[in-house]
Amino acid sequence: DTAVSQTPKYLVTQMGNDKSIKCEQNLGHDTMYWYKQDSKKFLKIMFSYNNKELIINETVPNRFSPKSPDKAHLNLHINSLELGDSAVYFCASSLGTGAYNSPLHFGNGTRLTVT
Amino acid sequence: AQRVTQPEKLLSVFKGAPVELKCNYSYSGSPELFWYVQYSRQRLQLLLRHISRESIKGFTADLNKGETSFHLKKPFAQEEDSAMYYCAANKLTFGTGTQLKVEL
Repeated sequence: DTAVSQTPKYLVTQMGNDKSIKCEQNLGHDTMYWYKQDSKKFLKIMFSYNNKELIINETVPNRFSPKSPDKAHLNLHINSLELGDSAVYFCASSLGTGAYNSPLHFGNGTRLTVT
Repeated sequence: AQRVTQPEKLLSVFKGAPVELKCNYSYSGSPELFWYVQYSRQRLQLLLRHISRESIKGFTADLNKGETSFHLKKPFAQEEDSAMYYCAANKLTFGTGTQLKVEL
C-alpha cells in the first residue's frame, strides 16, 4: 500500500528519557513534515524537510531534533522528555511546499505519553 | 500574522439538518485552502481543497476572497459525518478544529 507510515503507534515513557519516532512515505513526495496535536486537538507544524533539507523549524525546543536520511524518511528524536511533550505527533508528506493540488498525506499518528 | 480561525469548537446538529463549519483566514498572498477531516482515532485526511471546486461526501466549500472565508457546508448531515474538521491555509497553518457531532 502506498502511504505514510509512522512507528510506534503508542509510546509511553518517563520524564527525562530520550525517544524516537520514525516516519516513512512511499508516495514519491519531496516534502515531509512533523505536526503536534495537543490535548485540545490543536494542530501545529513543527518541522518541514524538502529533499532532506530543513526548510521550516517553528519555535520548537531544541530537545526535538528531526533527521531526514533520505527524502522518503523523516524521523523525530526527542531528548529529555517532559510532561508537556505528551501529545499525538503526526508525520505528513506532500509533493512540494508551495505547489497547488498538493495536499498533505498524513500518517496514523504516534500517541506519546510522558509520565 | 498568518492565521486560520474556526470559531466553533463544537457543533452539534441533528441527522438530516444542514451543516456549516466556519473558517476564516488572514494570510498574505493567495493561500491554498483545504479542509481536512479526522474520524475518531484515525489519521487526518484531505476532504476538500478550494482549487478543485468538488463535492466530497456531500460537502462543498466556496472560497470567498472578499470575506476571506472558506466555510464547509453540507445540506443534510449524516451520522458518519461526526468527526473533527480542520481548515488549513497552505500546509502550515491550521485552524483549531471544529468537532462535529451529528445526533440521531
